[in-house]
Amino acid sequence: EAGVTQFPSHSVIEKGQTVTLRCDPISGHDNLYWYRRVMGKEIKFLLHFVKESKQDESGMPNNRFLAERTGGTYSTLKVQPAELEDSGVYFCASSRMTEFYGYTFGSGTRLTVV
Amino acid sequence: QKEVEQDPGPLSVPEGAIVSLNCTYSNSAFQYFMWYRQYSRKGPELLMYTYSSGNKEDGRFTAQVDKSSKYISLFIRDSQPSDSATYLCAMNAGNMLTFGGGTRLMVKP
Repeated sequence: EAGVTQFPSHSVIEKGQTVTLRCDPISGHDNLYWYRRVMGKEIKFLLHFVKESKQDESGMPNNRFLAERTGGTYSTLKVQPAELEDSGVYFCASSRMTEFYGYTFGSGTRLTVV
Repeated sequence: QKEVEQDPGPLSVPEGAIVSLNCTYSNSAFQYFMWYRQYSRKGPELLMYTYSSGNKEDGRFTAQVDKSSKYISLFIRDSQPSDSATYLCAMNAGNMLTFGGGTRLMVKP
């Protein structure tokens, strides 16, 4: 089966600009997660979709971040306006409905805000 | 205090050595315990998971969980240069994973 696909793989933007990250989960995976790793820190949870609904967005840092999951398929994460501290690697993961482990991660989007 | 503590390394060993990687945690609610391997510029890849205290073996890899001590380990036998990567422990009490910071392992030929 195809894995979790994320693009772009790398994005460099200026402070104040907008960036949209995309994630295509594994087909049939209802759970979709966004995680982020900033320099020198652990990978941290951002939010969790079940199909098209946000199940848990407790990890979203502030209202500059907006996540959507259209029709329960692919998901986008928009950062507007971007700040320097948003730089890091953004990972998407997906899993089947009943899996609480074994999430499949994408390769991540490396975001650099200058 | 971090919920999950992991020695960042780097840990350098000769090929064929036994490697021991460890994490401690503070949240008693954690139920699933996982080890991920991450190569440079790639996403984390699940190696093993356990649900309760005890040992689980898969090939050269053995995962141990001691809930009473809040301590988990991953052992790698007969380590290979291809095992060189960052190893991340992760655990959850629901859908959200909490990660350790990762240990960088280098296996020298």
